[in-house]
Amino acid sequence: ETGVTQSPTHLIKTRGQQVTLRCSSQSGHNTVSWYQQALGQGPQFIFQYYREEENGRGNFPPRFSGLQFPNYSSELNVNALELDDSALYLCASSPPGSGTYEQYFGPGTRLTVT
Amino acid sequence: KNEVEQSPQNLTAQEGEFITINCSYSVGISALHWLQQHPGGGIVSLFMLSSGKKKHGRLIATINIQEKHSSLHITASHPRDSAVYICAVTGGATNKLIFGTGTLLAVQP
Repeated sequence: ETGVTQSPTHLIKTRGQQVTLRCSSQSGHNTVSWYQQALGQGPQFIFQYYREEENGRGNFPPRFSGLQFPNYSSELNVNALELDDSALYLCASSPPGSGTYEQYFGPGTRLTVT
Repeated sequence: KNEVEQSPQNLTAQEGEFITINCSYSVGISALHWLQQHPGGGIVSLFMLSSGKKKHGRLIATINIQEKHSSLHITASHPRDSAVYICAVTGGATNKLIFGTGTLLAVQP
């Protein structure tokens, strides 16, 4: 069974650019949640996708958007990058019926905005 | 005040010592998670619990729902236990995961 994977591992972008991060959920999992973890901080909930629809959103501006595909993989898009967007972006998938009770995390994508 | 508080923020121990990390929360929860994160790495789920106590190898997690408090214990600590340990709860207004800021543990040989 393949776990949660994320790509790319590391990314460097310039302020004002746009970025797309990708997450492949664990086999059979239909819910994906995205988190932002700034250096030295705990992760913060960005949003969750369930069966291709957004299912809850944290306190992040609209330039953070997402998608979930029929195979339950997901993308996180960030427009107009700001320096404060530099962080580790984590995704986690959950099996059907578990909501956020069970979450399996990916290794994260380290984004640096210069 | 954060909805999930951990203590201590930093902890240094000698190999073999018994370690306790504490977590207090202020929201209603359906579950509490203990997670482990190695430097620069992703997160591994150690425990999910909603009552009582769970044990896995040298790790023990307890929760007291009435007191809104949980502890993670590591027995016979080892340098490979060095990591950030994060407490997170499923609950609050969004019923999503709310994370503490983590406890940085360093176990010295």
